[in-house]
Formats: sequence, C-alpha cells, structure tokens
Amino acid sequence: DIQMTQSPSSLSASVGDRVTITCRASQGIYNSLAWYQQKPGKAPKVLLYAVSRLESGDPSRFSGSGSGTDYTLTISSLQPEDFATYYCQQYYSKPWTFGQGTKVEIK
Amino acid sequence: QVQLVQSAAEVKNPGASVKLSCKASGNIYINYYIHWVRQAPGQGLEWMGIINPGDGTTSYSQKFHGRVTMTRDTSTNTVYMELTSLTSEDTAVYFCARGPGYSLNWGQGTLVTVSS
Repeated sequence: DIQMTQSPSSLSASVGDRVTITCRASQGIYNSLAWYQQKPGKAPKVLLYAVSRLESGDPSRFSGSGSGTDYTLTISSLQPEDFATYYCQQYYSKPWTFGQGTKVEIK
Repeated sequence: QVQLVQSAAEVKNPGASVKLSCKASGNIYINYYIHWVRQAPGQGLEWMGIINPGDGTTSYSQKFHGRVTMTRDTSTNTVYMELTSLTSEDTAVYFCARGPGYSLNWGQGTLVTVSS
C-alpha cells in the first residue's frame, strides 16, 4: 500500500496568513492526488484533484503543486471559513489511501 | 447536481453484521465509482473499497478483505456495503462517495456503533 504522510498534523494561523500543507507519498503517484477539506460533523469536500485542478466552486485562494512523491496545498490568504481539517489522498494505486490529516486552527 | 443519501444510524453487537445503503439521485449519467470511506471517532479517513455501479465490479482494501461486500441495485440507483464480524474497532461514521478516483460527491455519513 502507498503511505501518505502529511505535515504538519496541526497548525495555528491567523486570518490573512498564507498556509502550506505538505503530503509525501511512499512511492510515486504520478499526480493522482486530491485534497479535501472537512469541517466537524460534515462529510469531506474535494478542493483539488490531479494535484492542482480546482474543483468548480472552490475559491482560487486554494492551490496545489508538486510531482513525484511530494505535494503541497497552499491557502494564499486564510479566511474564517477555512478553519478545518485537510486531507490528501492518492488515487494512483489501490487501496486509495489518505494522509492522516492536518487540522488548521485559529491563532 | 448529484445527491447521495445514506441509511440511518445503526447499533450492533460485537460479532454481528451491518448493511448500509447509499442511494444516488440527480445527474448520475456518468458512471463513476462509488467509494466507501470510514472515519472512527476523532480519527482520519480510511478508504474501504469501491464498486463500479455499471458492471458491479469491486475492489476492496486488503484490510477488510473477507469482511466487506459491496453490491448495487441498478433499478433503484442504490449501492450497499455489508461489513461482517463487527468489533468495537468498527465503530465509525461510514461515508459513501462518488467519483472517478477522487471523491466528488459525498453522502451525509452513517454512524455505526458496535457495543454490547
């Protein structure tokens, strides 16, 4: 199975901050990577797929980059509604595994 | 827009089985996979497997192999996930989701509690 390691596991930030979350795969996943946002008590919501393709309706302050085994989610200017937990997921090789999550909290 | 509506919460004894449903409606003409993902209390997301609603083929995480079965009823656009030999470790919210590899649309989740 491909292991997905996210860092950090949590972070504190202020509204307006630039936030970066990284995800490392245990082997190459050939850009088959998605990012999800999950708020407490809710289902996850896809933000980005294929590394950097923004799902329709998602704000452009979310962006993704990376290749090979290392990928990044960037929130350019953190908004109050962005405080949530973020997960990466590889869908290159089954089982399609998730990272352990990054909780973004208010500083 | 696609909606996935999941069945109600369940409480099961250890050793029992549970069968959850996920009904799709809306613009579902693209034959995407239905994924099952679970989330134990306070924990992260765990991918369990997928079913192709078109032909019924499945792929399961090895962790659940032998305990999980995913089926579909094309007449009602409903997918089912049955998990057997439940233990307290199976207490979780179970989500169905739809998408090509990543999950575009999600159900609201079904809480399964395993307790004696």
